[in-house]
Formats: sequence, structure tokens, C-alpha cells
Amino acid sequence: DGGITQSPKYLFRKEGQNVTLSCEQNLNHDAMYWYRQDPGQGLRLIYYSQIVNDFQKGDIAEGYSVSREKKESFPLTVTSAQKNPTAFYLCASSTPDRALSGNTIYFGEGSWLTVV
Amino acid sequence: ILNVEQSPQSLHVQEGDSTNFTCSFPSSNFYALHWYRWETAKSPEALFVMTLNGDEKKKGRISATLNTKEGYSYLYIKGSQPEDSATYLCAFGDYKLSFGAGTTVTVRA
Repeated sequence: DGGITQSPKYLFRKEGQNVTLSCEQNLNHDAMYWYRQDPGQGLRLIYYSQIVNDFQKGDIAEGYSVSREKKESFPLTVTSAQKNPTAFYLCASSTPDRALSGNTIYFGEGSWLTVV
Repeated sequence: ILNVEQSPQSLHVQEGDSTNFTCSFPSSNFYALHWYRWETAKSPEALFVMTLNGDEKKKGRISATLNTKEGYSYLYIKGSQPEDSATYLCAFGDYKLSFGAGTTVTVRA
């Protein structure tokens, strides 16, 4: 089935450690995104990539890094510089053509990260 | 960051009743307005993408309207059923969306 796979679903991290969240899609989408959700807040954009080997910072990129070496993969690294990393992380993908003015975004099931 | 507001934050509905809730967004430079349904332990699922002022979309018992000039969209659920229980997200923008915090709907049997 076509879709977006995120792993792991639950992850515990010790303070000072970097962790990487995996996101893989088989929808043949060019654009991929990482969002973070905190209680009572809307999804906030961390990073996005519209094409392989290119990515841009979103609204809350500090303390995070990404890579886009393959079209189907967009891993997110939560570094030790992220001061409050405990959150729910969602990966998404879409076609990037803005002219469509309404391309649907497809989401994975998310990853819970807890700092212990 | 574009300011997208949803109200109410949560609501409880008796099975069979109808309900509606609001999404407010900046009325200038409109691109598109998205509605998603997010059930617990699942991925958010796209309901509607609305691009034109006056748009009305319908999917089964769920419908949405759009007013881009005043910057709001309503989502309606007619004859609510327990399976409608979910958080409904709206999002505004082009390929880079700004999301509201959601309206959580609980339908009581």
C-alpha cells in the first residue's frame, strides 16, 4: 500500500544525545515535511524539502537537522541543542506544485519522543 | 507564521445531533484552506481542500464552507455518529501550511 512510514513510534532519549527519526514514503512525492505537535498547539513546521538534495528551515528549525539524499526518505535528527525535544513528531509529503493551490498533504502516523 | 485559529477547542455532541465549528485565517493573500480529520492513533486524513471564495465541499455527512474575504471556514457534521469522534484540523497556506490547534469532537452514544 502507498503511504508514509515513520519509525520508531516511541523513542526515549537521554539528555545530551542526538536521535534520528526515520520517514519513508512510497507515494513518489517530491515534497516532504516534518512537523512537531505540543499539547494545545497546532502542528508547527520544522523543516521541509521540495526536491532531493534541497531543504529549507521551517518555523522552529533550531536544534534539528535533516537530510534528503533520496526522494523517498527524509530523516530528522533531534540534536542535543534542542532545548525541549519531548513532543510528537509528524512526517508528511505532497506534490510541491504551488500552482495546484491545494495539493493534499499526506501524513505518517507519527513518532513520540521523550527525553528522560 | 500565519495565525490560524480554531474554535471551540473541544465539543461534545449527542449521537444524531448536528454540529459545526470554525477555522479563522488571514484574509489577505489567500492560497488554500485544508481540513483534516485526525483519529486517535492514526494519521491525519485529508477531508477537503478549498481554494475559491464561496466553495462548499461535502463528503458524506461532513461539509465545509469557505469565506476568503472575511477569513473563515465552517465545518459541519450532520447527524453525528460515534465514528465522527476525532480532532479536526484546519490548515492555511500553499505548499507550506500553517495549522490550527484543532477542534476535538466527542460523539456520545
